[in-house]
Formats: sequence, structure tokens, C-alpha cells
Amino acid sequence: KNEVEQSPQNLTAQEGEFITINCSYSVGISALHWLQQHPGGGIVSLFMLSSGKKKHGRLIATINIQEKHSSLHITASHPRDSAVYICAPRAGNTPLVFGKGTRLSVIA
Amino acid sequence: DADVTQTPRNRITKTGKRIMLECSQTKGHDRMYWYRQDPGLGLRLIYYSFDVKDINKGEISDGYSVSRQAQAKFSLSLESAIPNQTALYFCATSDRDGANYGYTFGSGTRLTVV
Repeated sequence: KNEVEQSPQNLTAQEGEFITINCSYSVGISALHWLQQHPGGGIVSLFMLSSGKKKHGRLIATINIQEKHSSLHITASHPRDSAVYICAPRAGNTPLVFGKGTRLSVIA
Repeated sequence: DADVTQTPRNRITKTGKRIMLECSQTKGHDRMYWYRQDPGLGLRLIYYSFDVKDINKGEISDGYSVSRQAQAKFSLSLESAIPNQTALYFCATSDRDGANYGYTFGSGTRLTVV
């Protein structure tokens, strides 16, 4: 079973700060997803990556498959970024395994 | 209309009752999933289906059953609801393209068993 650890569990930042959320997992994977869960509960997919780095707006996701580690960065954070961020690795053809999430609060 | 629609959005039911949560999708995805979310535990897989004739148990299938009525419909049943099944339930879909396993989630069903 793939054990997924996210850190930190909770994070409070001032608007404009650079934010990093980390995800480590225990078994080899083929890809990793980052998702965002809004305060109302809805979940949206942010990234799916299997190597290197992806960027979308102010969000950057990186992965090191050999190190079994991924990071999600948010540049110039804004209160609207406040949400729970979840990493979910996928091994081969199996369903995603979800981390417990990192709760981010960005204060104006 | 949402790509993945869950009904009902909220439900309160009594212990011992049978309840069905429904999920329908317009994404054209082959794969569908049911997850439950409890505070502090993250999303856990209940059942999943890779096509209409395929049903697989997930991590926490006891007390649940599913039916894949069509490519677009996947329902979750609680045969005899108990209070520790109180949770937020999500249906999700994904494609099977090896290069792009995009996931789409429904808005969730908040179930309370009293």
C-alpha cells in the first residue's frame, strides 16, 4: 500500500508570500496528481505530472520520481488561494491514493 | 450542467435504513469511483469501476455496494446505514488514456446517519 505523507498539515501565510507544500510517498508511481478542495467542499484537479515540473499561473508543481517526493509551490499567494491542497499518487493502472491534505489560509 | 452530478447533495437518514447515492457523468469517461471523506483522514476509496462490466472493491467496501447501470451512471448503496457511515461522499471519473488520467469530481453528498 502506498503511504502518502503531506507537510505541513496546516499553513497560514500572509498575502504575497511564497508557499511550498510537500508530498512524499512510499512506493514507485507512474504519476502524481495535485488537487484543490475549496472551503465549500468541491474538488478540482490542478496538475497531473510524471516527471519534472509543470506551471499553471502562479502554481508550480515539481516531482522527483527517484526521491518519491513532490512539491506544490504558490507564488504571490492571495486569500483566494485558501483551500485544502491534496496530493494523490498513482501506481500503474490503479486508482489514486490520497494524502490527508494541507490546509492553507492566506491572510490579507 | 455539471460534468459529474451527484444526488442528493445532502441526506439525513436513520440507522438501519437502505440508502442510495447516485452519480451521473457527461465526460464520456470509462472509469468511475466512489470515495468517502472524513475529517482528518483524507479521501478513501470505497469502490471503483473501469467499465460497465467491471466492479472492484476499494479500501473500505464493507457495508457498501455499487451498481454500474451504464457508462454514465454509477450508484452507491448503503444496505443498512450506521452512524459511522456519516461522511462526505464523492463520485469521480477519469479517462483511461495513459498519458492523461484527468480526474473530475462531483460536488459531494453529505450523508448523516442518526
